[in-house]
Amino acid sequence: GNSVTQMEGPVTLSEEAFLTINCTYTATGYPSLFWYVQYPGEGLQLLLKATKADDKGSNKGFEATYRKETTSFHLEKGSVQVSDSAVYFCALAGANNLFFGTGTRLTVIP
Amino acid sequence: DAGITQSPRHKVTETGTPVTLRCHQTENHRYMYWYRQDPGHGLRLIHYSYGVKDTDKGEVSDGYSVSRSKTEDFLLTLESATSSQTSVYFCAIKNSGTADTQYFGPGTRLTVL
Repeated sequence: GNSVTQMEGPVTLSEEAFLTINCTYTATGYPSLFWYVQYPGEGLQLLLKATKADDKGSNKGFEATYRKETTSFHLEKGSVQVSDSAVYFCALAGANNLFFGTGTRLTVIP
Repeated sequence: DAGITQSPRHKVTETGTPVTLRCHQTENHRYMYWYRQDPGHGLRLIHYSYGVKDTDKGEVSDGYSVSRSKTEDFLLTLESATSSQTSVYFCAIKNSGTADTQYFGPGTRLTVL
């Protein structure tokens, strides 16, 4: 079946540090993969997505590459800002819905 | 921002009472979803709809029912609320393709006492 395993949090980084949040998946076939971000008190917003193997999604300095060989879709950013503090969710597209990881809370301190 | 609204945004109710949450979209998207968000579980699908009067169950559908009589509205009903249904509820919409993005509403925080 479909499932997503996401790096446990919380993660605390200093401003301008490098960020990696690990995400691996189990799926039949090659589903589309997504990263969503949730800021405090808000709904989920799409951060980036990739629809096939070796695709790289990118947005706002964040990147993730769809790795079929390692069934991974790790989120990276070279230099985080305080405004990046949020909860990040990795998700996989099933036939009728999304399968989410449990979320990783990121706090960036000045 | 996708045109999705949820009402109410916050609700406190008592065990055993019926509760209806509303999701309204202005995008004319075919698919609509209800998820619940709980610590340690991410988001889990309750029910979804693939057209007017066409709905199906998700992973955690027990204790919930849904209705969609118009393209723009998707209602989630808790027939008899229980404390285990205290959660944050999110509606989402999607166009037709499997790879298409789901867009989420702002959420409803429900507390069942």
